[in-house]
Amino acid sequence: GENVEQHPSTLSVQEGDSAVIKCTYSDSASNYFPWYKQELGKGPQLIIDIRSNVGEKKDQRIAVTLNKTAKHFSLHITETQPEDSAVYFCAASKEGYQKVTFGTGTKLQVIP
Amino acid sequence: DSGVTQTPKHLITATGQRVTLRCSPRSGDLSVYWYQQSLDQGLQFLIQYYNGEERAKGNILERFSAQQFPDLHSELNLSSLELGDSALYFCASSPQGANTEAFFGQGTRLTVV
Repeated sequence: GENVEQHPSTLSVQEGDSAVIKCTYSDSASNYFPWYKQELGKGPQLIIDIRSNVGEKKDQRIAVTLNKTAKHFSLHITETQPEDSAVYFCAASKEGYQKVTFGTGTKLQVIP
Repeated sequence: DSGVTQTPKHLITATGQRVTLRCSPRSGDLSVYWYQQSLDQGLQFLIQYYNGEERAKGNILERFSAQQFPDLHSELNLSSLELGDSALYFCASSPQGANTEAFFGQGTRLTVV
């Protein structure tokens, strides 16, 4: 089955700096890659997603890149703010299959 | 607010007992997913239902079972509880299948003592 690895497990950055979280997946048939943010005491919430027919997607300070050949995708957060502090999960799934496989999460701390 | 409602929010029970967790998906969403999140762990997929039918199973223990009712709400039943079952249990819903955004509830925190 699909295996998603996520690095780093913890990440501390100064406010205003950029943060990058990387994930690799094993199933070359996977074609949907969402990123979720989980704040303390809450359920995960989708912040951005990308499909395999696109190499990059941006939404304000957040961007995701996908390298299908290398089977890895990354989340980039620019101009980080304290409210970006949370746990971030990457995930992968494929058309026709119902299971979404999540990475192990990255705890991001933005230091004011 | 994601529109997904989970009850109860907290549950404390003894080992060997059985509990039922309830999930009401967003209006119109046909898919319901259950996940387990242990302390400092990622999200472990348990099971998925689509319009009343089981569609996918993850590493769900035989002591656990779930169902989705005609009104699309879902219940996760956990029996013969062990200390290691203590975790956050999340329900998520989506309009269709796995390749669309999933909306998560606030979770049920289960503590087995």
